Amino acid sequence: SQQGEEDPQALSIQEGENATMNCSYKTSINNLQWYRQNSGRGLVHLILIRSNEREKHSGRLRVTLDTSKKSSSLLITASRAADTASYFCASPSRSEKLVFGKGTKLTVNP
Amino acid sequence: DVKVTQSSRYLVKRTGEKVFLECVQDMDHENMFWYRQDPGLGLRLIYFSYDVKMKEKGDIPEGYSVSREKKERFSLILESASTNQTSMYLCASSFPPYRAQGAPRTDTQYFGPGTRLTVL
Repeated sequence: SQQGEEDPQALSIQEGENATMNCSYKTSINNLQWYRQNSGRGLVHLILIRSNEREKHSGRLRVTLDTSKKSSSLLITASRAADTASYFCASPSRSEKLVFGKGTKLTVNP
Repeated sequence: DVKVTQSSRYLVKRTGEKVFLECVQDMDHENMFWYRQDPGLGLRLIYFSYDVKMKEKGDIPEGYSVSREKKERFSLILESASTNQTSMYLCASSFPPYRAQGAPRTDTQYFGPGTRLTVL
């Protein structure tokens, strides 16, 4: 079952620009996570935001969470070519599983 | 740092073969997961295990089985490989959400590098 849905499916920007990706989810959550996947590799955890938090920063990453709208956004500022990857949101299901969205494919052009 | 390793990065097998994919984690995590990832379908959970010898079906268990004889190792088995099992297979591990009483829930999963399996 799909809990998170990312938007857009693909995003292409120039180096130095900001990239914003959105995630919508369906049921109540106590946290939401963002992961990154370089082409052909495993996923890497980027950041976790709890349901009682509205915004969280980590380096050039900024995540927001709006529980009333059941949505989250990931902002990457001053993007670099090395940020080229797919980005996934994930939220816990009732059991100990995470449910992942289908991802946003970000391309940062040098 | 957490390390999750998978036995092969690339694997080519023939239809009908029995295939073993191995995953090992070094962080004493209770939970381990097997996913497959296909274009346009995202990550889909095949099986997960929350303790040694314990397993639960995920969303797409058909055609797969798993084994967890030791805490650090979780194996995915394709009993009779078929071409529709050609995919990227990802293993992950995590602590249980409530590691200690009163501790905030974290479900962060740590992934291996993936195995690209091709079944001919």
